[in-house]
Amino acid sequence: GESVGLHLPTLSVQEGDNSIINCAYSNSASDYFIWYKQESGKGPQFIIDIRSNMDKRQGQRVTVLLNKTVKHLSLQIAATQPGDSAVYFCAENRPGAGSYQLTFGKGTKLSVIP
Amino acid sequence: DARVTQTPRDKVTEMGQEVTMRCQPILGHNTVFWYRQTMMQGLELLAYFRNRAPLDDSGMPKDRFSAEMPDATLATLKIQPSEPRDSAVYFCASGLVNTGELFFGEGSRLTVL
Repeated sequence: GESVGLHLPTLSVQEGDNSIINCAYSNSASDYFIWYKQESGKGPQFIIDIRSNMDKRQGQRVTVLLNKTVKHLSLQIAATQPGDSAVYFCAENRPGAGSYQLTFGKGTKLSVIP
Repeated sequence: DARVTQTPRDKVTEMGQEVTMRCQPILGHNTVFWYRQTMMQGLELLAYFRNRAPLDDSGMPKDRFSAEMPDATLATLKIQPSEPRDSAVYFCASGLVNTGELFFGEGSRLTVL
């Protein structure tokens, strides 16, 4: 989920289990959503995206689900691996500028227990 | 292996000093973004360029921050004078105008004492 203040929400998962990271977005007019992964000391890295006319999209080991009714986005990671340990951000695009300008959530820290 | 390059990686400076951060976007990308990341605020958009033209810098404190793209291979973010509250990691990202996928650099960690 989204964080308030200094502490990021943390999700601890056993290696091999599935992970589900949640995100509540703020603007019902947002038309495009992305999940990013940020490893320690690095920049965010694109994982998967979804447009508002879809409710599910699958990638390699990852699935993004979009529920526009409750403005909720989730990222599912199958068979979580130690290399998945990172902070995960959801980002939303608010239409209007004619091109993409992403607003990022505060992030969720995923810790994978070997 | 195309990537966004940022310099410096780390900068420690004293309050009042000028700081310039540089970014080389991926060749062929026509959008460039500057973000600031802190624990309290997360990732905040500071400035956005499309085809080198500044489109949105509403997230940037205008009195001390300035962002420019003197050419397609260089974007700069300048802080003058710097203040301790500017301490953060500054990320540059580039992309294509018709997609939302951004490619981020490794960031410039700024510490203002």
